[in-house]
Amino acid sequence: SQQGEEDPQALSIQEGENATMNCSYKTSINNLQWYRQNSGRGLVHLILIRSNEREKHSGRLRVTLDTSKKSSSLLITASRAADTASYFCATDFRENTGNQFYFGTGTSLTVIP
Amino acid sequence: DSGVTQTPKHLITATGQRVTLRCSPRSGDLSVYWYQQSLDQGLQFLIQYYNGEERAKGNILERFSAQQFPDLHSELNLSSLELGDSALYFCASSVDRVGVYGYTFGSGTRLTVV
Repeated sequence: SQQGEEDPQALSIQEGENATMNCSYKTSINNLQWYRQNSGRGLVHLILIRSNEREKHSGRLRVTLDTSKKSSSLLITASRAADTASYFCATDFRENTGNQFYFGTGTSLTVIP
Repeated sequence: DSGVTQTPKHLITATGQRVTLRCSPRSGDLSVYWYQQSLDQGLQFLIQYYNGEERAKGNILERFSAQQFPDLHSELNLSSLELGDSALYFCASSVDRVGVYGYTFGSGTRLTVV
């Protein structure tokens, strides 16, 4: 499969704690993106990191990329109940002529108030 | 509101039937992508159109077809429906042909085949 894989599949934390999700992929990429999906809703783009970047920040989000390990992590700091959602990584593989993004299976995050 | 409009929101139909899902991309976006999301398969890429032309195909069944019209809206046609086609179907759009700035997703069409 060309999809990335997120780990863990599910994560439950207390409000105020940090949440870390990981994504692993198999082949070389151009870009990696993280998306959030609230239950039954469309996906919302959070952040994009290019293959030549190692870290990016956006508000309470921090994304790292390690191309040597073919992995990325998403850190949400000071989590809130509103962060409860599924989080997906999406990768575009250099071998794909269409450069479309393939999504992983997601991490379901529950933040307990 | 993401700017990507999908209709209908819900669809219930019988096996063997044919349905059409419609997507209007965000204003200014030229690419439209279709994804299928089911519990056991996750989010599967189906097909991409860019400015009216098919650009990439993913795991799209032969019973499914799509097109993008001159006004850039797109339709996904599903025929000879089977129970296993029940899923959420998402449309996404991007301004460029590769989505390097990210995709904007619609809220999806939930298809139930009974």
